[in-house]
Amino acid sequence: SAVISQKPSRDICQRGTSLTIQCQVDSQVTMMFWYRQQPGQSLTLIATANQGSEATYESGFVIDKFPISRPNLTFSTLTVSNMSPEDSSIYLCSARRPAGGYTFGSGTRLTVV
Amino acid sequence: AQTVTQSQPEMSVQEAETVTLSCTYDTSESDYYLFWYKQPPSRQMILVIRQEAYKQQNATENRFSVNFQKAAKSFSLKISDSQLGDAAMYFCAYRSAPPLNDMRFGAGTRLTVKP
Repeated sequence: SAVISQKPSRDICQRGTSLTIQCQVDSQVTMMFWYRQQPGQSLTLIATANQGSEATYESGFVIDKFPISRPNLTFSTLTVSNMSPEDSSIYLCSARRPAGGYTFGSGTRLTVV
Repeated sequence: AQTVTQSQPEMSVQEAETVTLSCTYDTSESDYYLFWYKQPPSRQMILVIRQEAYKQQNATENRFSVNFQKAAKSFSLKISDSQLGDAAMYFCAYRSAPPLNDMRFGAGTRLTVKP
């Protein structure tokens, strides 16, 4: 099954700055997804990232705040822009394999101070 | 939009005993997939079991089995012979059939296993 390497695993950032999270998959995948998980809570889908097209954002999430890139079938980035303490959360990427099934990165714990 | 409800924020089970985690969902679709994921403190999401809605037979994976009631929109997870390593957050998830592929998660159930 596909393995996702997600970086960084954690970071502490100053408010007003931006952080880019990277996910590298060890095989080609059709779709990738980005989730936010508040501590002790469920995963909320931020957006779906398709290769070669703009990401599709869920209600409450906008491209200016969470720009996403998907330059090829094995890589995607999520940027958290102009951060505030409310953005402190765990961010996870996920990939849907061509044969079906999903795999997840190990998450990025972001703290904004 | 599809919603997934886990009504048990926390559950506890004695080691070697059996526990059932509840999940209900709301959908108007006839074809979809259901999943149970385990998330230990490492944050890694681990697939426990999956069920295709078109299959009447309940999925089973070793000590893990589901009770899928399509008409009732219920998808519970039974863990038999619970082990200390089963302690984690468990998330029920729903995925529509293609071309829609995003996954919707329930709020989670924190399972504690007592030795």
